[in-house]
Amino acid sequence: NAGVTQTPKFQVLKTGQSMTLQCAQDMNHEYMSWYRQDPGMGLRLIHYSVGAGITDQGEVPNGYNVSRSTTEDFPLRLLSAAPSQTSVYFCASSSRLSTDTQYFGPGTRLTVL
Amino acid sequence: AQRVTQPEKLLSVFKGAPVELKCNYSYSGSPELFWYVQYSRQRLQLLLRHISRESIKGFTADLNKGETSFHLKKPFAQEEDSAMYYCALIGGSQGNLIFGKGTKLSVKP
Repeated sequence: NAGVTQTPKFQVLKTGQSMTLQCAQDMNHEYMSWYRQDPGMGLRLIHYSVGAGITDQGEVPNGYNVSRSTTEDFPLRLLSAAPSQTSVYFCASSSRLSTDTQYFGPGTRLTVL
Repeated sequence: AQRVTQPEKLLSVFKGAPVELKCNYSYSGSPELFWYVQYSRQRLQLLLRHISRESIKGFTADLNKGETSFHLKKPFAQEEDSAMYYCALIGGSQGNLIFGKGTKLSVKP
């Protein structure tokens, strides 16, 4: 199993550009989520999904969209990138919500100029 | 509000010394608590969870409901323990992970 994979590893955008961060898992997990990691802020939940076709907002959803058309994939879209979205983005998955281990991807380091 | 507080941004100890990373939480009810670790250039991974009451890599954590704490301890720190440590709890209406801001542990030789 590859576990949770994320692409790209690094990305530089200009303000106003859009892009999609890819996340995939091959563990047949129902629950997937996106976090951003900023210095001194820890990890903050952006969006999450409890199964295909179901998504919901986390703590910091503004400026991001998600969709979950399949169990395996959970892409994160930046509609119009802003410097405040410079961060490291982590995707995670788990088989259920409570008590189950969340498996994290390697992260995408995004810089918005 | 549900919240996890890690009061130390950085903790520096010498190899062989005891280490305690502090975690306090705010949660109504019985919390599900975890410690996640991120080694340099690696992905975040689960270190331990309180319901399993296990010891991983020599680390233990005890839930103290009276003090609302879940401190991570290790009697003898090793250089390879140097990493970023995050305390987290299951919270919210959908049972999402709520993370603290993290503590960077540096173990000096």
